[in-house]
Amino acid sequence: QSALTQPPSASGSPGQSVTISCTGTSSDVGGYNYVSWYQQHPGKAPKLMIYEVTQRPSGVPDRFSGSKSGNTASLTVSGLQAEDEADYYCFSYAGSDNGVFGTGTKVTVL
Amino acid sequence: QVQLQESGPGLVKPSETLSLTCTVSGGSIGSYYWGWIRQPPGKGLEWIGYVSYSGRTNYNPSLKSRVTISVDTSKNHFSLKLSSVTAADTAIYYCARDLNDWAHDYWGQGTLVTVSS
Repeated sequence: QSALTQPPSASGSPGQSVTISCTGTSSDVGGYNYVSWYQQHPGKAPKLMIYEVTQRPSGVPDRFSGSKSGNTASLTVSGLQAEDEADYYCFSYAGSDNGVFGTGTKVTVL
Repeated sequence: QVQLQESGPGLVKPSETLSLTCTVSGGSIGSYYWGWIRQPPGKGLEWIGYVSYSGRTNYNPSLKSRVTISVDTSKNHFSLKLSSVTAADTAIYYCARDLNDWAHDYWGQGTLVTVSS
């Protein structure tokens, strides 16, 4: 299975919104509602931000939201804050009991 | 609060077998799936595979021939073995809990394994 495609970078000013895309195929992103998103700060383990496309774990700010259209999932960060600067990865069920990560997006808060 | 901790050698020689253990504390290993994910230095995340509390497993097709993941519920830990390693297997290895819906909510801090002679 091939990695899901994410833009290498995205940026926004404090208070603005940024949206990160995660493009796969009908065999992964498009075929199942099992897309999750992770935030990773340098030197740290990834942190779950969104699961099952749109669900937010307890403790994750509601500034983070997820959606999906066809073979592309998206993570939107509204009201950008300095601490949102990090790498973000999507992950999807890919059928046959396998999972696949996205290529990762570095978000910069200008 | 569930905590995961990876342990094992930080240096493995080429062609040998990488072995890591993830110890789960603050909760039972039962009722969940448990996964291994790795990240080469400066690169992205790669899903390696999972094991269920009952021992069911599945692996990334690209690694399947070299990977074994097992669980020991009596010790509340699960393990990763990766055989015939090369420099390309040098990475930070993370263990994580799977919510049974392909989302990982608790992660270990990660352990760097370097493959070098």
